[in-house]
Amino acid sequence: DTAVSQTPKYLVTQMGNDKSIKCEQNLGHDTMYWYKQDSKKFLKIMFSYNNKELIINETVPNRFSPKSPDKAHLNLHINSLELGDSAVYFCASSPETYTEKLFFGSGTQLSVL
Amino acid sequence: RKEVEQDPGPFNVPEGATVAFNCTYSNSASQSFFWYRQDCRKEPKLLMSVYSSGNEDGRFTAQLNRASQYISLLIRDSKLSDSATYLCVVVPRGSGAGSYQLTFGKGTKLSVIP
Repeated sequence: DTAVSQTPKYLVTQMGNDKSIKCEQNLGHDTMYWYKQDSKKFLKIMFSYNNKELIINETVPNRFSPKSPDKAHLNLHINSLELGDSAVYFCASSPETYTEKLFFGSGTQLSVL
Repeated sequence: RKEVEQDPGPFNVPEGATVAFNCTYSNSASQSFFWYRQDCRKEPKLLMSVYSSGNEDGRFTAQLNRASQYISLLIRDSKLSDSATYLCVVVPRGSGAGSYQLTFGKGTKLSVIP
C-alpha cells in the first residue's frame, strides 16, 4: 500500500532519447510535485500541480513536460535527454498547497550516458 | 550566499552522544522552517517543524534564531538509527498560489558509530 509510487526506480539511457517517469499517489492529496536532486545533493522543486492545474513551474528547460491526467497522477516526460539531466527525480504529494508535509516517492535514478 | 547553507559533515559520533547541526538562511523574510531526514538512497521525510520558541520531540530539539538567521537541530542520546542526512528547509515569505515553496539545504550527514 505504497503512498507515493514512481516508476521506474532506475533509468539508464542515451543522450538524445525521450523518456518518461510515472508517479501515482493513493493518499487522496490535491497537490503533487516533481523535485530534482542533483549530484551535489540539492533538492530543488521543478513543478507543482494542484488538482491537475500547474501552480509552480520553476526555471527548467522546456524539454521537461509534466502531465497530470488526474489528481492522483503526475508524470514527467523528458525530451532530448542531456548528460546534465542525470539526477534523482522525486515525486511528492501533499494534502494542500501551503504545507511543509510533503510525502515523497522513493525516487528515480536517471543516468544519461 | 546560498539561500540555505548547512555544514555537509559528515559528523561521526558514538552512540549516546549529543550532536547539533546548524543551518543558516539568507532571506530574512523567511516565514517557516523545518527539518527533514533523508536516509541513504531513500526519499526525504519530514522530521519536525521549527518554532521561534523552540520545540522538542523526544530526543530531538529544534530552535530558531531569527536575528542571526539560523536554525539548529540537537539530537541527544544518539542511536545507530539516527544515521542519515538531515536537511534544513526554509519557506520564504511570498503571496499567491505557489508561493509556499520549500527551499532545501544540501543536508548534513550524520553517522552514529557503535
